[in-house]
Amino acid sequence: DTAVSQTPKYLVTQMGNDKSIKCEQNLGHDTMYWYKQDSKKFLKIMFSYNNKELIINETVPNRFSPKSPDKAHLNLHINSLELGDSAVYFCASQLAGTSTDTQYFGPGTRLTVL
Amino acid sequence: GENVEQHPSTLSVQEGDSAVIKCTYSDSASNYFPWYKQELGKRPQLIIDIRSNVGEKKDQRIAVTLNKTAKHFSLHITETQPEDSAVYFCAASRNTNAGKSTFGDGTTLTVKP
Repeated sequence: DTAVSQTPKYLVTQMGNDKSIKCEQNLGHDTMYWYKQDSKKFLKIMFSYNNKELIINETVPNRFSPKSPDKAHLNLHINSLELGDSAVYFCASQLAGTSTDTQYFGPGTRLTVL
Repeated sequence: GENVEQHPSTLSVQEGDSAVIKCTYSDSASNYFPWYKQELGKRPQLIIDIRSNVGEKKDQRIAVTLNKTAKHFSLHITETQPEDSAVYFCAASRNTNAGKSTFGDGTTLTVKP
């Protein structure tokens, strides 16, 4: 009964490849996010979706394309991977529009670009 | 937009001592301030939060204080234990639909036995 899950947990790939990371939440939340955590541990928001609609796009290169097929899923596709894309990517969900803004994070996907 | 500054970036204390982490925010409309703890190799998880209508909140050994006038809030951990060692993130957000949380840069806390 995992709340927020991500696949894969680890992803090692060559520069120039295209890869996808999947996220699913079973909390019934309306809002989902993608964060990038670099080697310095900074947590930077990339995208936010609310009810399948893109709400936040934080000046992320257009090689990154999120897709939300439904409220429970938010996937991240990355084209033409670069060395600087190596990081841990966290998905998170939130019950928007209520009195609580707690975000629930997935376990993370460690992406290594060689 | 909101800007959150967090200090210190690293903090080392002896087991049993107290630890204090401070954050300042810029948007006076922010009204929700959570703290997340991230253990090594794990996901960030909420440990305590505070809303702008409250000045202090406690949960066992952890407490958070909020000064709306000065726009800063702090995390206090008393009687620290080695398992408190982690990266702690503060965040600030408005309670709106699809509200975005702005995170501080994190504090690496090390509790030495």
